[in-house]
Amino acid sequence: NAGVTQTPKFRILKIGQSMTLQCTQDMNHNYMYWYRQDPGMGLKLIYYSVGAGITDKGEVPNGYNVSRSTTEDFPLRLELAAPSQTSVYFCASSPPGRGGGTEAFFGQGTRLTVV
Amino acid sequence: AQSVAQPEDQVNVAEGNPLTVKCTYSVSGNPYLFWYVQYPNRGLQFLLKYITGDNLVKGSYGFEAEFNKSQTSFHLKKPSALVSDSALYFCAVRAPSGNTPLVFGKGTRLSVIA
Repeated sequence: NAGVTQTPKFRILKIGQSMTLQCTQDMNHNYMYWYRQDPGMGLKLIYYSVGAGITDKGEVPNGYNVSRSTTEDFPLRLELAAPSQTSVYFCASSPPGRGGGTEAFFGQGTRLTVV
Repeated sequence: AQSVAQPEDQVNVAEGNPLTVKCTYSVSGNPYLFWYVQYPNRGLQFLLKYITGDNLVKGSYGFEAEFNKSQTSFHLKKPSALVSDSALYFCAVRAPSGNTPLVFGKGTRLSVIA
C-alpha cells in the first residue's frame, strides 16, 4: 500500500520561481489537505479539499494555489516563491466518517528551501 | 474556532519511567481528539483518537490518552518510556460538525534518556 505519496522530497527554489508540489493517494479518500510545518509552530493548514472539484482555504493560503481534478491527486502550486515559504510541506488525506471521527494519513513531506 | 494547546515544548523522562505529554483543547460541542507522532525526517503517524465512549483510549506502541471533559484535556501517557519513544508529538482536534480539517498544537518534543 503506497498511501499518500509526495514528490519531490527536497527542493531548492530561487526567489520568484514557481513549482508544483505533487500529492497523490491510493486509498480513495474524499478529503485531502496541505499543511506546512515550521519549527516550533506546529502544522498550519494551507488548503483542503472535500472532493474532486472542491477546494477551500485554510489558515495560511496566501502565495499558494491548489486544484483537485481527480480523487487521487491534490497538487499545491507556488507561483512566486518567497523566503517565507521555506518550510516542510505535508499532504494528508482522510476518508469521510460519521461527523469527522476518522484520522488523517500523512505523506512523508517535501522540504522546500527558497533562496 | 477550535484550537489546541500543548504547554510544554520539551519533556524529558528517564527510560522505564512513566511519561505524560499534555494537551488542552477548545472547541464548540463534543470534540474529536487525536495524537500523532513524528520521527525525524518523517511524516506524522497516527497514535490514537477519542471519538466517544470510554475516557481512556488505548493506541499504538503502548500509548494511551485520557479525555477529561471538565478540564478540556487529552493528555498522552505511557506507563514505561522507551528510548525509541523519543520523537515529536502532536495533539489535534476536529470540531464535531462535518469532516473539518484537523487543527494541530505546536508539538512537544519527548526525549527519553537511557
